[in-house]
Amino acid sequence: GENVEQHPSTLSVQEGDSAVIKCTYSDSASNYFPWYKQELGKRPQLIIDIRSNVGEKKDQRIAVTLNKTAKHFSLHITETQPEDSAVYFCAASIIRDAGGTSYGKLTFGQGTILTVHP
Amino acid sequence: NAGVTQTPKFRILKIGQSMTLQCAQDMNHNYMYWYRQDPGMGLKLIYYSVGAGITDKGEVPNGYNVSRSTTEDFPLRLELAAPSQTSVYFCASRWGQGAYGYTFGSGTRLTVV
Repeated sequence: GENVEQHPSTLSVQEGDSAVIKCTYSDSASNYFPWYKQELGKRPQLIIDIRSNVGEKKDQRIAVTLNKTAKHFSLHITETQPEDSAVYFCAASIIRDAGGTSYGKLTFGQGTILTVHP
Repeated sequence: NAGVTQTPKFRILKIGQSMTLQCAQDMNHNYMYWYRQDPGMGLKLIYYSVGAGITDKGEVPNGYNVSRSTTEDFPLRLELAAPSQTSVYFCASRWGQGAYGYTFGSGTRLTVV
């Protein structure tokens, strides 16, 4: 089955700096890669996702890049703010379209605790 | 529209007891999932369902059972609770083909003592 490795496990930055979190996956058939943000005691919230037919996607201060050949993808947060402090999870899934069966089971990385210091 | 509702939010069980974690969604989503999250770890899939009457095992199904008699409800049953089942349990749902993002419930924090 799929295996997702996430690094680093903890990341500490100063407000305004950039933060980068990296994930690798093992199954070359995976084609959907979401990122979730989880604040303490709360449910995971989808912040951005990317499909394997694109190499990069941006949404304001957040971007995700994907390298299918190397089987890794990364989350980039620019101009970090204290409210960005949370645990971030990457995940991978196989989504089949065009009549295929799309179960959408996600395999998660272990998580990165991001702390943004004011 | 309540989204995905989980009950209870907290529960303490004694070893060997049984309980059912409830999950309900009002979005008419076909796909539903149960994940567990151990402290400091990512989420691991327990069971999932692609529609009423259809369920299948995920990565860590031992000690659990599920049923899906309606589109809305996907309860998770723990039989003979063990300390290893101490975790936070999240239920999630999504529409299906072409819609990939999950909607998560608020979670159930379970402690087995």
